[in-house]
Amino acid sequence: DAGVIQSPRHEVTEMGQEVTLRCKPISGHNSLFWYRQTMMRGLELLIYFNNNVPIDDSGMPEDRFSAKMPNASFSTLKIQPSEPRDSAVYFCAVGSGARTSEQYFGPGTRLTVT
Amino acid sequence: KQEVTQIPAALSVPEGENLVLNCSFTDSAIYNLQWFRQDPGKGLTSLLLIQSSQREQTSGRLNASLDKSSGRSTLYIAASQPGDSATYLCAVSAGGSEKLVFGKGTKLTVNP
Repeated sequence: DAGVIQSPRHEVTEMGQEVTLRCKPISGHNSLFWYRQTMMRGLELLIYFNNNVPIDDSGMPEDRFSAKMPNASFSTLKIQPSEPRDSAVYFCAVGSGARTSEQYFGPGTRLTVT
Repeated sequence: KQEVTQIPAALSVPEGENLVLNCSFTDSAIYNLQWFRQDPGKGLTSLLLIQSSQREQTSGRLNASLDKSSGRSTLYIAASQPGDSATYLCAVSAGGSEKLVFGKGTKLTVNP
């Protein structure tokens, strides 16, 4: 996982609650990606940043989802309010910033919304 | 819109067998193709990255090939071992950017 740190690793929450997922990328990687994985839809890109700037958020499902990258060493993905259909594994990944670069994934956060 | 398909969805083989996993994509305008491995409940581990100008990449018992014009890639695993059991995912860079589009994976089981 190239040292990408995600927290929490598991989150169980009730419908309607706010959920914040965190990612700490490793230094030297200029791009950061948030993906979501479900059995039905597989892995899907939600949003990605380059040099802390959001480049493509077309995968963000709706306004309940928001992501920030205030600096090069931290990013958050927030869901407010959460719904049961948001239950999934959320991955953070990093890349060098070049279109040909390899991506490295964190261990993921398994979110369950009841 | 780029779509990635992996066939078969699941594969079970006896230990020691050589095997091939397939990946196809609809838009040949890619920058690279990446093969990942995912163990149950874990994140993705990058196995091989093939740039669009390359035909293949090798790492140990793994060999990945790329035929951009036909929109196909294969991952060849030689002398399979039970430890190779995992889901293998193929992804291509899409839309003229860094973002990856993933296939749904092939779940491989290697039986001792």
